[in-house]
Amino acid sequence: AQKITQTQPGMFVQEKEAVTLDCTYDTSDQSYGLFWYKQPSSGEMIFLIYQGSYDEQNATEGRYSLNFQKARKSANLVISASQLGDSAMYFCAMREEDYGNNRLAFGKGNQVVVIP
Amino acid sequence: GAVVSQHPSWVICKSGTSVKIECRSLDFQATTMFWYRQFPKQSLMLMATSNEGSKATYEQGVEKDKFLINHASLTLSTLTVTSAHPEDSSFYICSASPLTGLLNQPQHFGDGTRLSIL
Repeated sequence: AQKITQTQPGMFVQEKEAVTLDCTYDTSDQSYGLFWYKQPSSGEMIFLIYQGSYDEQNATEGRYSLNFQKARKSANLVISASQLGDSAMYFCAMREEDYGNNRLAFGKGNQVVVIP
Repeated sequence: GAVVSQHPSWVICKSGTSVKIECRSLDFQATTMFWYRQFPKQSLMLMATSNEGSKATYEQGVEKDKFLINHASLTLSTLTVTSAHPEDSSFYICSASPLTGLLNQPQHFGDGTRLSIL
């Protein structure tokens, strides 16, 4: 079974608007971590934000915030005030405590295009 | 901090050539590095886990004789695509992280290598 599910089709977002990218996950571990990465067309993977399973507050990092709903096993990324440079693929990933070696399971990604 | 350097960024070569890709952690030591392959518009597919001082652990379906991995030191892992053919053309990207044992430690990625086999 897939550990990370990202099913939204490609999204067009108006500049300065907010966008929410969905991510659901599947794990039986109590302790796990969730990550979001951005991959622009140039290919590099940029770490954006982290949410721990025991964190009581939603993570925030500048214009990025995470809407973490543990009971629903969802960790949606919210990008506020979109900029043209936000156009990229966005990947949700999970690390489980018993994975070992810091392995990550990645979702299939969400394509975002910001339009002026 | 936590910079990973990958080289080369772009390779074009003839079929049958072997190609070596380097992944270096510049400001931290990494006992484990990861090699991924990515097709256009798709997710990262983990190929293997590179372990310093021991054999790499390959994912199911990845030919270890085709994709040779060497983790010679705590800061360097190499991926060699042996006798490359056009179907090996892809984007290859490595990652590493300081071994803190903490769940919140992100993996840091190299900039990737675009491999084109003619």
